[in-house]
Amino acid sequence: DTAVSQTPKYLVTQMGNDKSIKCEQNLGHDTMYWYKQDSKKFLKIMFSYNNKELIINETVPNRFSPKSPDKAHLNLHINSLELGDSAVYFCASSQGMSDVYGYTFGSGTRLTVV
Amino acid sequence: AQSVTQPDIHITVSEGASLELRCNYSYGATPYLFWYVQSPGQGLQLLLKYFSGDTLVQGIKGFEAEFKRSQSSFNLRKPSVHWSDAAEYFCAVGHSGGYNKLIFGAGTRLAVHP
Repeated sequence: DTAVSQTPKYLVTQMGNDKSIKCEQNLGHDTMYWYKQDSKKFLKIMFSYNNKELIINETVPNRFSPKSPDKAHLNLHINSLELGDSAVYFCASSQGMSDVYGYTFGSGTRLTVV
Repeated sequence: AQSVTQPDIHITVSEGASLELRCNYSYGATPYLFWYVQSPGQGLQLLLKYFSGDTLVQGIKGFEAEFKRSQSSFNLRKPSVHWSDAAEYFCAVGHSGGYNKLIFGAGTRLAVHP
């Protein structure tokens, strides 16, 4: 009965590979997000989707491509992985687009690029 | 643009002692303010939020926070810390005028001594 679930939890891969992270929420929320947490714990928004529509794209490299097949799922595909992509990626969801709702976070995917 | 500052990177308290974690924000209008906690290897959990009304808000796990507009602050407090409170704490700000895009502070790591 996990509210926001991400898979995989850990991902170790070589430079140049392509990988995907999946996210699903069972809260009935309309809006989903990807955040990146760097080695210093700094959290920065990457993307947000509302009802499958891209709302926010925070100048993320084109190698990152989110996909939302329905409002309960938001996946993140990363092409040509680089060392600097190593981070923890968090998926989150909220009830609507207004900031008043706050987020429910998944437990994160730790990506290590070697 | 809104921003969040958490002046203390690392705080250590003794179990049973009181706690105050500082958060200052920058935003021209009434902000929406949040505190999240991240335990090791986990996602972020919402502790409490403020968006209007009473400036002293109560949250989960015995935490409270006070919004002080004159000081642009939203400090988190707990009267008696438990060892299980050791974690990373994030303050976040959203705004009333646009899409949900919470801006997070850099976090404060709390260590609890027995």
